[in-house]
Amino acid sequence: GNSVTQMEGPVTLSEEAFLTINCTYTATGYPSLFWYVQYPGEGLQLLLKATKADDKGSNKGFEATYRKETTSFHLEKGSVQVSDSAVYFCALSDGGYQKVTFGTGTKLQVIP
Amino acid sequence: DAEITQSPRHKITETGRQVTLACHQTWNHNNMFWYRQDLGHGLRLIHYSYGVQDTNKGEVSDGYSVSRSNTEDLPLTLESAASSQTSVYFCASSESAGNTGELFFGEGSRLTVL
Repeated sequence: GNSVTQMEGPVTLSEEAFLTINCTYTATGYPSLFWYVQYPGEGLQLLLKATKADDKGSNKGFEATYRKETTSFHLEKGSVQVSDSAVYFCALSDGGYQKVTFGTGTKLQVIP
Repeated sequence: DAEITQSPRHKITETGRQVTLACHQTWNHNNMFWYRQDLGHGLRLIHYSYGVQDTNKGEVSDGYSVSRSNTEDLPLTLESAASSQTSVYFCASSESAGNTGELFFGEGSRLTVL
């Protein structure tokens, strides 16, 4: 079945540091890939997505590239802010069944 | 604005009691899902529905049930609550036509079973 593996957290960074959160996946066919973000006390919201190989999703300074050859979708940001502190979830969708499989989440804490 | 709302936001109950968590969406989405969120497990799918009168089991469906009598609502029922069901529950919805899997989430319902 489908699965998503993302790096263990928590990740603690100083403000303006570079962020990478690794994500790899296992899926049949050609899934869509997502990063969701969960701020404290809230539900998840979509951060960015990519629907086919070599697509780059981007939003709010975050980027991730769909790499089919390495089955990866790593999240990056060049300069994090305190307001980026949240839990980040990598996910994939098997379009045929429209279900989404999530990774375990990576907590990011950015300190001033 | 369209939204998805869950109630109650917080619930404390006792072992063996029946509990129902409500989920209401105004997106007019056909697809609705219930997830539970636990530390170390991320989000796990409990039940899902692709339309009225359609319900399906997810990976952790034991002890839970859902019903879909209209497009807007997918209530989640815990038949006989157990301490292992203490968790945060999220309802989500998505489009069906041309769907790429993007989910819209409610704010969650925190359930404690004593």
